[in-house]
Amino acid sequence: AQSVTQLDSQVPVFEEAPVELRCNYSSSVSVYLFWYVQYPNQGLQLLLKYLSGSTLVESINGFEAEFNKSQTSFHLRKPSVHISDTAEYFCAVSIPNTGFQKLVFGTGTRLLVSP
Amino acid sequence: NAGVTQTPKFQVLKTGQSMTLQCAQDMNHNSMYWYRQDPGMGLRLIYYSASEGTTDKGEVPNGYNVSRLNKREFSLRLESAAPSQTSVYFCASRSSVDTQYFGPGTRLTVL
Repeated sequence: AQSVTQLDSQVPVFEEAPVELRCNYSSSVSVYLFWYVQYPNQGLQLLLKYLSGSTLVESINGFEAEFNKSQTSFHLRKPSVHISDTAEYFCAVSIPNTGFQKLVFGTGTRLLVSP
Repeated sequence: NAGVTQTPKFQVLKTGQSMTLQCAQDMNHNSMYWYRQDPGMGLRLIYYSASEGTTDKGEVPNGYNVSRLNKREFSLRLESAAPSQTSVYFCASRSSVDTQYFGPGTRLTVL
């Protein structure tokens, strides 16, 4: 079975500072990796994903994540955060090529950006 | 393009009452899902439907039933609501490139 650990339940940061949200996973087989973002009172939206290829993936709003197989990690980073980045961020994994995608989510990290 | 829609947005039930949460997607996706979100627990899969006409249990199916009415619609039913079912419920559908699209959620309180 797969599991996802997000050790930080909340990360406070000042605007324009860098941030890293940590994600570690456990799996005996290869996985696909995802970061979803949930803004207040909304559903989840895909932020970025790693399926194959380059281990560094980027989103359109400046976030990036790097797949590290040896450390079983997929940490999310942004060099300079904005107030509008305040949200909850979920890391998730799935098993590729099963014909059906079952996402296993971490417990989430709440990013709080203050002026 | 509405994506994934859910009704109702909010609901308060008394213990023992029943209700159905509705979900529809207009993206022609085959796979649909129901999750519940509880503080500190992330999202947990209740039921899923890999394609029209099929449904299967997820991680926390007890107390729930589902119906895949057609390709667009996937409903979740609580036959006899319990306070432990107080949660936020999300419906999602999956594209061919392994991206799940989520609805806005239903906030359910069971008294």
